[in-house]
Amino acid sequence: DIVMTQSPDSLAVSLGERATINCKSSQNVLYSPNNKNYLAWYQQKPGQPPKLLIYWASTRDSGVPDRFSGSGSGTDFTLSISSLQAEDVAVYYCQQYYDTPITFGQGTRLAIK
Amino acid sequence: EVQLVESGGGLVQPGGSLRVSCAASGFTFNKFWMHWVRQVPGKGLVWVSRIDSDGSRRNYADSVKGRFTISRDNAKNTLYLQMNSLRVEDTAVYYCARAREVLEDYGIDVWGHGTTVTVS
Repeated sequence: DIVMTQSPDSLAVSLGERATINCKSSQNVLYSPNNKNYLAWYQQKPGQPPKLLIYWASTRDSGVPDRFSGSGSGTDFTLSISSLQAEDVAVYYCQQYYDTPITFGQGTRLAIK
Repeated sequence: EVQLVESGGGLVQPGGSLRVSCAASGFTFNKFWMHWVRQVPGKGLVWVSRIDSDGSRRNYADSVKGRFTISRDNAKNTLYLQMNSLRVEDTAVYYCARAREVLEDYGIDVWGHGTTVTVS
């Protein structure tokens, strides 16, 4: 199984400042024939289902604010929020869909400092 | 509007069975892979199972293999998860979710609000 490890487990950032969450996969999730990283990021707020933010490691889903960005390749990935807003308080998960079982990181809880 | 609505959750004793359902609307159901993902309240997301668009391919997490069966009825736009030999550790919110692209499984983009299964 591909193990996804996020860091940190929790993070507190001031409003307007940058937040960065890391995700490391135990195996490469870059598929060479199409040069795509099979990596997604989700945001989950209390009492709600997850919401897709980023897929193919760096493509924002429709309607996602451009302050959210994804980067990385192979085994190391990053989700950045350029200017933290109050509504960004949530738990963030990375997920690999390169192989089954599909696996998620343990989650990173983002709070306001 | 794309919608997934789960139902069928409830309280069941260990060793018992339960079938949860997911009614899909707002998209061409028979063209998408579908997933079940579960979450213990306050804990992380755990993938359970997936099924391809016509029901011919299915995959399961090791923790549920041999006990759970995923299926779909494309005429009714409905996804199912039959859960047998339930264990206390199967207690969770069960989310129905849709793959992002037509006929391919390139990750999940739409999630239902979940149905709660309690084994006790």
